[in-house]
Amino acid sequence: SQTIHQWPATLVQPVGSPLSLECTVEGTSNPNLYWYRQAAGRGLQLLFYSVGIGQISSEVPQNLSASRPQDRQFILSSKKLLLSDSGFYLCAWSAGPEAFFGQGTRLTVV
Amino acid sequence: AQSVTQPDIHITVSEGASLELRCNYSYGATPYLFWYVQSPGQGLQLLLKYFSGDTLVQGIKGFEAEFKRSQSSFNLRKPSVHWSDAAEYFCAVGAVDYKLSFGAGTTVTVRA
Repeated sequence: SQTIHQWPATLVQPVGSPLSLECTVEGTSNPNLYWYRQAAGRGLQLLFYSVGIGQISSEVPQNLSASRPQDRQFILSSKKLLLSDSGFYLCAWSAGPEAFFGQGTRLTVV
Repeated sequence: AQSVTQPDIHITVSEGASLELRCNYSYGATPYLFWYVQSPGQGLQLLLKYFSGDTLVQGIKGFEAEFKRSQSSFNLRKPSVHWSDAAEYFCAVGAVDYKLSFGAGTTVTVRA
């Protein structure tokens, strides 16, 4: 069966520091991969999605970037964090219309 | 582009009472429709989905939803709520590119 791993679960980072969140999927090949952000009291906003290695589409302009160095690995990064980057980040994968989500990373920028 | 509206930000329901969460979507073609549930600090779990066919779909945990094309709605229902149903619920719509658009969510509080 397929599983998705996302880490770390929580992260507190100072403003201006770099960021790297990692997501890996097991049990499937060539999945579509997604990064979503959930701000407090709001819905989920799609940040990036990828249909293959090295193929990244950005949905909104922002301080973040994404990379897909391997088929089942998706990384969310920032060179310098802003306070507004705080939130709950969710990785997801799909092989069709239905998406499956990781457990999320709670990022607090201080 | 597709969009989703969940009109109710917060609903409080008594344990054992029925629950209905509203969802309206905007999309030019037949959408893929989903309801997800999120417990605090957790990821999203799929409750049910609609792709085509029977417009009344059954999901996990005793939930069901009905697709009404004429109303562009996909409301979630449960006949008898349990305390463990307290969570945040998200309606989502997907298009042919499989990217999902989510509503803002409805928080459900269950009182004893």
